[in-house]
Amino acid sequence: KNQVEQSPQSLIILEGKNCTLQCNYTVSPFSNLRWYKQDTGRGPVSLTIMTFSENTKSNGRYTATLDADTKQSSLHITASQLSDSASYICVVSSHTNYGGSQGNLIFGKGTKLSVKP
Amino acid sequence: GAVVSQHPSRVICKSGTSVKIECRSLDFQATTMFWYRQFPKQSLMLMATSNEGSKATYEQGVEKDKFLINHASLTLSTLTVTSAHPEDSSFYICSARGPTGSPNYGYTFGSGTRLTVV
Repeated sequence: KNQVEQSPQSLIILEGKNCTLQCNYTVSPFSNLRWYKQDTGRGPVSLTIMTFSENTKSNGRYTATLDADTKQSSLHITASQLSDSASYICVVSSHTNYGGSQGNLIFGKGTKLSVKP
Repeated sequence: GAVVSQHPSRVICKSGTSVKIECRSLDFQATTMFWYRQFPKQSLMLMATSNEGSKATYEQGVEKDKFLINHASLTLSTLTVTSAHPEDSSFYICSARGPTGSPNYGYTFGSGTRLTVV
């Protein structure tokens, strides 16, 4: 069964600290993996997208890694800010030919990050 | 980058009434649009996929007569929740995708609509 598991479920850190969020997946065949940031009451916003051949991708203070062999990804946030408080969702796509369906996107439940002053 | 506008952001309606939610791609043509529902502390759950000019494809367990989807143009899709009941209260999110090979082939999400049925 295609699944995306994220850990931890929630995390509290102090402003300025770094943190790493984890994503393990059992999706096959694999096409790409995306990390989204979702603020409370808002839609998800894309942070990074990685294909099978990419093992790291950065977007400002966000750095995502991908190990396609172990089917693991991480999202590292550097020098956290209060505005980083949000849910971070890992989404895995299972094939490249979408054919009009988004049913191949498998969403994790997200990690709720709280950055405290 | 690609922008998807979703309206309204919040709506409160009485039980038994219908509510329409709009999803617009502002700067690209969305050949495919998707509707999700998200309950508190849960993942986004795909409800249906719509391609411009054709009938929507609904996921298993989603009532097509209750959640009417229209995708009449390349920039607009609407979701109408008919005869809403309190259990339909949820956060509804759309996403849009451009044509294959286009710069907007990725998935861009709207800002969501919080529906409360009283």
